[in-house]
Amino acid sequence: DAGVIQSPRHEVTEMGQEVTLRCKPISGHNSLFWYRQTMMRGLELLIYFNNNVPIDDSGMPEDRFSAKMPNASFSTLKIQPSEPRDSAVYFCASSPGLAGEQFFGPGTRLTVL
Amino acid sequence: SQKIEQNSEALNIQEGKTATLTCNYTNYSPAYLQWYRQDPGRGPVFLLLIRENEKEKRKERLKVTFDTTLKQSLFHITASQPADSATYLCALVRGQNFVFGPGTRLSVLP
Repeated sequence: DAGVIQSPRHEVTEMGQEVTLRCKPISGHNSLFWYRQTMMRGLELLIYFNNNVPIDDSGMPEDRFSAKMPNASFSTLKIQPSEPRDSAVYFCASSPGLAGEQFFGPGTRLTVL
Repeated sequence: SQKIEQNSEALNIQEGKTATLTCNYTNYSPAYLQWYRQDPGRGPVFLLLIRENEKEKRKERLKVTFDTTLKQSLFHITASQPADSATYLCALVRGQNFVFGPGTRLSVLP
């Protein structure tokens, strides 16, 4: 398996623009997690899905953030409108179970100017 | 509120020595604890998992202990090598709640 795939790897955008991050989990994994990592705040869980259903989105910072998982092999994290403080590395991770080991993707480095 | 601390932001040790990293937590009762390694520019990679009813877990040169009374986990790397240099993160899990610590950056000097 290719592991968790994220795209794009790097994104540079201007404040106010919409940003969409994409994730393809490992086939057969039924849990998917979105994280944000910054130097100041470390690795923060934003939202997670189990069997394509959002279970807990309490980590989503604001209504500007939204996530979807239309099927077992694809998820998106959208920021609209983006702000400079959203600049971070965003990781997607999948797991065969909600509480099992997580397999992380390579991350998307987002820079909002 | 929940708080997770990992010993010093950075830890330098000499090659061949044992590295010991700590993970302390408050206001939390994890069912189990995981350790991950993260290299620059990459996502974390799972290393070990230990459950609340387990005292110790080993995997090759790695050893993890878990003391729920002290609310502490220790992560040991024996016979450390420069290739072990990375950031190590602990993660506490209970049910569907998954919380990562801030990480410790380990440097193994040749």
